[in-house]
Amino acid sequence: QKEVEQNSGPLSVPEGAIASLNCTYSDRVSQSFFWYRQYSGKSPELIMSIYSNGDKEDGRFTAQLNKASQYVSLLIRDSQPSDSATYLCAVNKGNSGGYQKVTFGTGTKLQVIP
Amino acid sequence: DAGITQSPRHKVTETGTPVTLRCHQTENHRYMYWYRQDPGHGLRLIHYSYGVKDTDKGEVSDGYSVSRSKTEDFLLTLESATSSQTSVYFCAIRGHLAPGREVRYEQYFGPGTRLTVT
Repeated sequence: QKEVEQNSGPLSVPEGAIASLNCTYSDRVSQSFFWYRQYSGKSPELIMSIYSNGDKEDGRFTAQLNKASQYVSLLIRDSQPSDSATYLCAVNKGNSGGYQKVTFGTGTKLQVIP
Repeated sequence: DAGITQSPRHKVTETGTPVTLRCHQTENHRYMYWYRQDPGHGLRLIHYSYGVKDTDKGEVSDGYSVSRSKTEDFLLTLESATSSQTSVYFCAIRGHLAPGREVRYEQYFGPGTRLTVT
C-alpha cells in the first residue's frame, strides 16, 4: 500500500464546474496535509495546507480533511482552463528521527474543458 | 516566491562523470531539501539539511552526496552519474515559523534542474 495515494486521472471537468480531487494516506499519525499544483515542465506550487479536521477555504479552493477516514480532498469551484495541471497531495508524517517527513502522492492530472 | 534559484536549469552529461547541482536561497531558511521527480514515482527525497554542515539522508540517497557550507547554498553531487539518475531535480525550503503560531511544515520549491545522463 502506498503511503499517499491519488488517482492519476486524467480528471476531465467542463469549465465552470467543480473539480474534486481525492487523496488517501496510510499513516494515522500524519499531522499536516498539503496540496500542490504543478504545471507541465514547472515546479510544484503550494496552493493549500490543512492541519485540522474539516474544511478550509481559500478563494475557489477548499481543502477537506477527515483524519478518521485518512482522507483529504481538494475542491476547485468554477474551474477554469488555467486550472489544468497535475495536483499533488503531500502528507507530513511527523517526526522521523528528528525529520518531519513529507511524502508526496504521484498526482492527479486535471483537465478543464472550455 | 521563496527566493530559491537552482543552477544549472538543464544539463546533459555522460555516464561516469561527476555532476554538481546548486540550490541557492536568499531568505535565511534553515531547512533545505533535494528531491527527484520521475514518472510514476512522484517526488522522492534524496537528502535534506537542517543547518550549516548538518545534513541527512532521505529515501533515495544512494549515489548522491550533499554539502551545505553556507545557509544560502545547498549542493547536490552525483559522484559518478548513471543513466538511472536522469531525472528532474527540485530543491525546496521549509517555510519560516509564523511568530506566535504553530510550527509550519510547508515546503516551497525551486524551479528545478532537468538532468540527462547519456
